[in-house]
Amino acid sequence: DGGITQSPKYLFRKEGQNVTLSCEQNLNHDAMYWYRQDPGQGLRLIYYSQIVNDFQKGDIAEGYSVSREKKESFPLTVTSAQKNPTAFYLCASTLARAGQPQHFGDGTRLSIL
Amino acid sequence: LAKTTQPISMDSYEGQEVNITCSHNNIATNDYITWYQQFPSQGPRFIIQGYKTKVTNEVASLFIPADRKSSTLSLPRVSLSDTAVYYCLVGVSGSARQLTFGSGTQLTVLP
Repeated sequence: DGGITQSPKYLFRKEGQNVTLSCEQNLNHDAMYWYRQDPGQGLRLIYYSQIVNDFQKGDIAEGYSVSREKKESFPLTVTSAQKNPTAFYLCASTLARAGQPQHFGDGTRLSIL
Repeated sequence: LAKTTQPISMDSYEGQEVNITCSHNNIATNDYITWYQQFPSQGPRFIIQGYKTKVTNEVASLFIPADRKSSTLSLPRVSLSDTAVYYCLVGVSGSARQLTFGSGTQLTVLP
């Protein structure tokens, strides 16, 4: 079945450590997105990518980095510069055409040790 | 960017019809209106999408007035399993314009 796979489901970070969240899709979608969700809050856009080797900052990109070396993969690195990384991270993808909804993964919950 | 405004929460009883309205005053000509459902610790799930007038699928209807400055998601005969957060999203997927999620509406269905 086609879909979006996020891993791991739970992740713990030590102070000063970088961690990378994986997002893979086999839907042949062009665009991919990373969102952050804090408890009781909506989704905020971190980064998005419309095509391979290109990505743009969203509303809250500081302390995060991404890469898009392959169409099906869009990993997110939470760097030590992100002082409040505890959150639920969601990856999404869509066809780069008007009227196409986003498909979401099941998320990664990141916590600080 | 098209900002959306929704009620923070709504309560309903099983079997009732629920209407959730989203305000998006600065919607752009090319923007679509999309609604998602989210359960705790899960990713949002697509419900319905429209551009104008009315759209209906097997789970919901979406009503969009002519000026497109608001939209209403209608859930017929809700059940306890419809308890979730519902998000209204306005934008164009895959375009250079960022998609903006509102804060969502917590729908609680009571027995």
